[in-house]
Amino acid sequence: SQKIEQNSEALNIQEGKTATLTCNYTNYSPAYLQWYRQDPGRGPVFLLLIRENEKEKRKERLKVTFDTTLKQSLFHITASQPADSATYLCALYNNAGNMLTFGGGTRLMVKP
Amino acid sequence: DTAVSQTPKYLVTQMGNDKSIKCEQNLGHDTMYWYKQDSKKFLKIMFSYNNKELIINETVPNRFSPKSPDKAHLNLHINSLELGDSAVYFCASSQGGSGNQETQYFGPGTRLLVL
Repeated sequence: SQKIEQNSEALNIQEGKTATLTCNYTNYSPAYLQWYRQDPGRGPVFLLLIRENEKEKRKERLKVTFDTTLKQSLFHITASQPADSATYLCALYNNAGNMLTFGGGTRLMVKP
Repeated sequence: DTAVSQTPKYLVTQMGNDKSIKCEQNLGHDTMYWYKQDSKKFLKIMFSYNNKELIINETVPNRFSPKSPDKAHLNLHINSLELGDSAVYFCASSQGGSGNQETQYFGPGTRLLVL
């Protein structure tokens, strides 16, 4: 069966360090993968998109990698700040299904 | 100014009642969606409409009926509410097409509690 797995345990890191979140998937052939941020009581907000033929994408302090062999994406936040504390969701777009499927999200806590 | 808006923000109701949630987007997008986020925070697609036509229906009970009067609006009507319907419901929209056009813009959510 198809699965998208993100670490359900919260990730606690110290301000200034790099946060790395993982998204693993099975039985998907995603055309692209997206990362969203969700704050408590709010809807998800789009951060980055990476296509199947791209290895890495950057935006300011954010970096996403996509390894279709390992079936894994890594999401990095460098020089993390307390304001980065939120839940981060990965989502896969599968052409066959014509829709976006979300992982369960990982909560990031950045401590000052 | 709000890109995707939903009303109401909170909805508390009794089992067996019928309720509606409204969604509007002012982004000029062609595609709109309804998602359900349960207590474990999993966000699951329920429906997708493109230019007022249903394109995705993910095995949602018949008690849930989406209605799209025009491409800027997608409302969700729920009949005979059950305890298990308690969740946060998110509306979203996207331009449609492929690549970056599939970026989805979410509303603030409607928190439904069925007693």
